[in-house]
Amino acid sequence: AQSVTQLGSHVSVSEGALVLLRCNYSSSVPPYLFWYVQYPNQGLQLLLKYTSAATLVKGINGFEAEFKKSETSFHLTKPSAHMSDAAEYFCAVGNQAGTALIFGKGTTLSVSS
Amino acid sequence: DARVTQTPRHKVTEMGQEVTMRCQPILGHNTVFWYRQTMMQGLELLAYFRNRAPLDDSGMPKDRFSAEMPDATLATLKIQPSEPRDSAVYFCASGPQGTNTDTQYFGPGTRLTVL
Repeated sequence: AQSVTQLGSHVSVSEGALVLLRCNYSSSVPPYLFWYVQYPNQGLQLLLKYTSAATLVKGINGFEAEFKKSETSFHLTKPSAHMSDAAEYFCAVGNQAGTALIFGKGTTLSVSS
Repeated sequence: DARVTQTPRHKVTEMGQEVTMRCQPILGHNTVFWYRQTMMQGLELLAYFRNRAPLDDSGMPKDRFSAEMPDATLATLKIQPSEPRDSAVYFCASGPQGTNTDTQYFGPGTRLTVL
């Protein structure tokens, strides 16, 4: 069975500050891990994914995430927040077979000027 | 830029009415997923298809929900009869065959309100 826990339903940062969104997973098989972003009234957009290659994954909009097997974590970071980063972020776990993703509850990121 | 399309984008209906939501997956994708998003439950899988065959519909209330793929370019999700607790945003996602089968591409969603 697979599951995802996102720590913190709401994160607030100042523009230019570091963004850190936390995600821990549980999986009985080698996981594929994803971060999606959802802007208001829109669908989910893939930010980045880990599929057992490099443990540090770079995505769009300056985001990156590091897969840490020992900590069962896949935290999302961005060195400098921008106002346009304000959105809801979802961590998800899947597998190689392309079956359905299991999503976390989401973290809303607010960015203040 | 290929995208998943969903219609309608918004639907307001009264309890007891039938609701049909449609999804056009990205051309060439062979896997289609239906998810429901609510404030309380977050994103939940309702059903998914591969090559038009249903693989998992365990997340769907069978007595009122049905999902089909009449052809490779159309997926439908029906609720009959609808209830206020069905109010949610329903997302369709499609996934490619071959490489990158893990990646899902989401449509913009159908926001359903049942009064």
